[in-house]
Amino acid sequence: GESVGLHLPTLSVQEGDNSIINCAYSNSASDYFIWYKQESGKGPQFIIDIRSNMDKRQGQRVTVLLNKTVKHLSLQIAATQPGDSAVYFCAELTRGGSEKLVFGKGTKLTVNP
Amino acid sequence: NAGVMQNPRHLVRRRGQEARLRCSPMKGHSHVYWYRQLPEEGLKFMVYLQKENIIDESGMPKERFSAEFPKEGPSILRIQQVVRGDSAAYFCASSRTGFNQPQHFGDGTRLSIL
Repeated sequence: GESVGLHLPTLSVQEGDNSIINCAYSNSASDYFIWYKQESGKGPQFIIDIRSNMDKRQGQRVTVLLNKTVKHLSLQIAATQPGDSAVYFCAELTRGGSEKLVFGKGTKLTVNP
Repeated sequence: NAGVMQNPRHLVRRRGQEARLRCSPMKGHSHVYWYRQLPEEGLKFMVYLQKENIIDESGMPKERFSAEFPKEGPSILRIQQVVRGDSAAYFCASSRTGFNQPQHFGDGTRLSIL
């Protein structure tokens, strides 16, 4: 079964607000995590990644937090814009195994103007 | 810089026919991955290839499905004798080294089986 899951299937926010998308993983051997954004009809687009030796990483308007104690990952989007509306997936890569990503089912983010 | 290129974008086949999906990785990338996605679901790993080698095919059905990544040319995912259940979006990704590096995806091939 899937080792990566998401707490909420949908999230609706107002334009300008901050968004937080959560992800739980079950494989403690995972050591690399990626957030992807997928717009309708397109492939997943890399947003940000984090390795297990870090607990926080920041990009442009996005921050990823990793809590290895509770095996939880989150993506924070600052000042959410209509263009951020998409499905967001977290994916994990397990140490020592093949380089295959395990994806969760996704959270659909809707940004209301 | 061209990204991962997949073709065709849409493919319609009748039951029993063969489907061939092509993927050209990003320039400088020698690691290719194929994933399958059903509507409203995440992507499921199928196969991981390097040039001329299959590294991990644990996600591939044992029958009818095959993949290759020849020395020259794109990676090919082949589905023989397609059935309705093969209808899905098939995505290809590539990475530079294959070791804890981001995988970059193409826009997929949407396969419909009549």
